[in-house]
Amino acid sequence: GEDVEQSLFLSVREGDSSVINCTYTDSSSTYLYWYKQEPGAGLQLLTYIFSNMDMKQDQRLTVLLNKKDKHLSLRIADTQTGDSAIYFCAERATNSGYELNFGKGTSLLVTP
Amino acid sequence: NAGVTQTPKFQVLKTGQSMTLQCAQDMNHEYMSWYRQDPGMGLRLIHYSVGAGITDQGEVPNGYNVSRSTTEDFPLRLLSAAPSQTSVYFCASSVSQGDGYTFGSGTRLTVV
Repeated sequence: GEDVEQSLFLSVREGDSSVINCTYTDSSSTYLYWYKQEPGAGLQLLTYIFSNMDMKQDQRLTVLLNKKDKHLSLRIADTQTGDSAIYFCAERATNSGYELNFGKGTSLLVTP
Repeated sequence: NAGVTQTPKFQVLKTGQSMTLQCAQDMNHEYMSWYRQDPGMGLRLIHYSVGAGITDQGEVPNGYNVSRSTTEDFPLRLLSAAPSQTSVYFCASSVSQGDGYTFGSGTRLTVV
């Protein structure tokens, strides 16, 4: 599938904001997702955004989408130690049916 | 609702052995899929199904078989295990295109 790229590692201090970035190459992407994976667990859907939206906010989470640059970001406000996990960006393209194309994940470490 | 249930959680196989990874969902989701997760590789789609009786291959189908006789169950069979199949396997389901996926907690498989 098309490439979805993420930085591999991010470290922030507790209480700061975290911004996790993702770029994708498939211009036909219609849905973009953020998943969270805690150690030894499955993936938990955090939020998603349709390609006709620029921003979506859900409590401490803000998703920004720049379609022109094919750039997606996830901002976590007031980051807590419980937010330490791996975050995956994923896209679903119009012509791919139900298939999701995942990035390799960003490992977020929140330090006290 | 139990969501997506995977069994077993851990398994060790010898090269050449066969086994079936079980996946069941109680949400009446039409779409189900199997992914494998390897370090540095993200998640890769193995097989998927858009409904009972319908299956198709994903990105890495070799060495795996699937069937979908009911809406609830989507087992993944390894016919002759190889060390390259050592991985964490995730089953996921979705009610429709665009909706977020619900993931199981995973099966950690080691082939020696």
